[in-house]
Amino acid sequence: AQKITQTQPGMFVQEKEAVTLDCTYDTSDQSYGLFWYKQPSSGEMIFLIYQGSYDEQNATEGRYSLNFQKARKSANLVISASQLGDSAMYFCAMRVAGMIKAAGNKLTFGGGTRVLVKP
Amino acid sequence: DAGITQSPRHKVTETGTPVTLRCHQTENHRYMYWYRQDPGHGLRLIHYSYGVKDTDKGEVSDGYSVSRSKTEDFLLTLESATSSQTSVYFCAISELTGRKEKLFFGSGTQLSVL
Repeated sequence: AQKITQTQPGMFVQEKEAVTLDCTYDTSDQSYGLFWYKQPSSGEMIFLIYQGSYDEQNATEGRYSLNFQKARKSANLVISASQLGDSAMYFCAMRVAGMIKAAGNKLTFGGGTRVLVKP
Repeated sequence: DAGITQSPRHKVTETGTPVTLRCHQTENHRYMYWYRQDPGHGLRLIHYSYGVKDTDKGEVSDGYSVSRSKTEDFLLTLESATSSQTSVYFCAISELTGRKEKLFFGSGTQLSVL
């Protein structure tokens, strides 16, 4: 069974600084996808970034980048130039079975990290 | 967003009553999911669907049933609601672009079972 671990329950970051959110995962599958989501106080879940296990380059989406270290089974999220609007809960998630059409395709989530950006 | 609408947004009900939550999508996505979110448990998969009339159980499916008679609608039913089913429920869809996958979530339904 797959497992996602986020070891930082909460953290402060100064506005305009970068912050790294840790995520480690455990799976015996060779093909999988890793996701990061943001959940602000409003409760919605916002997709941030995706990394496939066979992608050789680290994924980037604007101010978000994913530091993917396959051998260490880590997929840390880096937010550059933090903004006050980045204050939220952040979830790391994993989907095994590389082909989306495979039966049993589903996301497993970590427990989340709460980020508070200080002005 | 990916055109996902959840209804109702909030519901208060009594133990033992049936409850149906609706997820509606406008972009013809094949894969749809129902999750519940609880403090200390994160997001847990209840049921998912990979097409019309094709559904399967997730990790916390007991007490829940689903139906998908049309591509655009995925219904979650609590046949006889219990207080342990008080939670925030999220619907999600998968969107594939080449090898890249994105999952989008609806705005959530806050359900309180008294």
